Amino acid sequence: GEDVEQSLFLSVREGDSSVINCTYTDSSSTYLYWYKQEPGAGLQLLTYIFSNMDMKQDQRLTVLLNKKDKHLSLRIADTQTGDSAIYFCAENGGGYNKLIFGAGTRLAVHP
Amino acid sequence: DGGITQSPKYLFRKEGQNVTLSCEQNLNHDAMYWYRQDPGQGLRLIYYSQIVNDFQKGDIAEGYSVSREKKESFPLTVTSAQKNPTAFYLCASTAGRNSGNTIYFGEGSWLTVV
Repeated sequence: GEDVEQSLFLSVREGDSSVINCTYTDSSSTYLYWYKQEPGAGLQLLTYIFSNMDMKQDQRLTVLLNKKDKHLSLRIADTQTGDSAIYFCAENGGGYNKLIFGAGTRLAVHP
Repeated sequence: DGGITQSPKYLFRKEGQNVTLSCEQNLNHDAMYWYRQDPGQGLRLIYYSQIVNDFQKGDIAEGYSVSREKKESFPLTVTSAQKNPTAFYLCASTAGRNSGNTIYFGEGSWLTVV
């Protein structure tokens, strides 16, 4: 069945890099996504990667995809306090734009 | 500004009542979705609609109903049959398969049973 797994919590020091990891099960997924959710708010799309790509970089964000191992990661360079949020990994293996979400990784940034 | 508007932001429901959450988008998107989020969990799909006058059940449709009479509107009714409705509800939309499959979310609605 379809499943997306993430670690639940990550703590980093301000200025360090954060790496959030995700594994998924559906090899038919064509797109994989990273969303950010701040407290009490909706989800903000950070970035996405097409399944035939290995890497995508967008300013401080780097997405790495290992399709063989079904592993996706999000690296945030120079992490700031404003990056504190819950980060969701999602894949569209559910069919027509049906996203399957992980439980989310809570990123805490401390001084 | 284009976007997805959900209302109300906070809603309280008494036992046995039906309540309706509104979702409106002015992005001209074909597909719309309702997700439920419980604390510490990911999002679970309730219903989705790919086109006007058509919708399909998601993974947790029991106790919910929807309609899609207009392209821009996809209201969700939480019925009295939903035994544990207290949650955060998120509406989303996307232009379709050929748009990079980017799904945009509203700001969410908190529903609490009192």
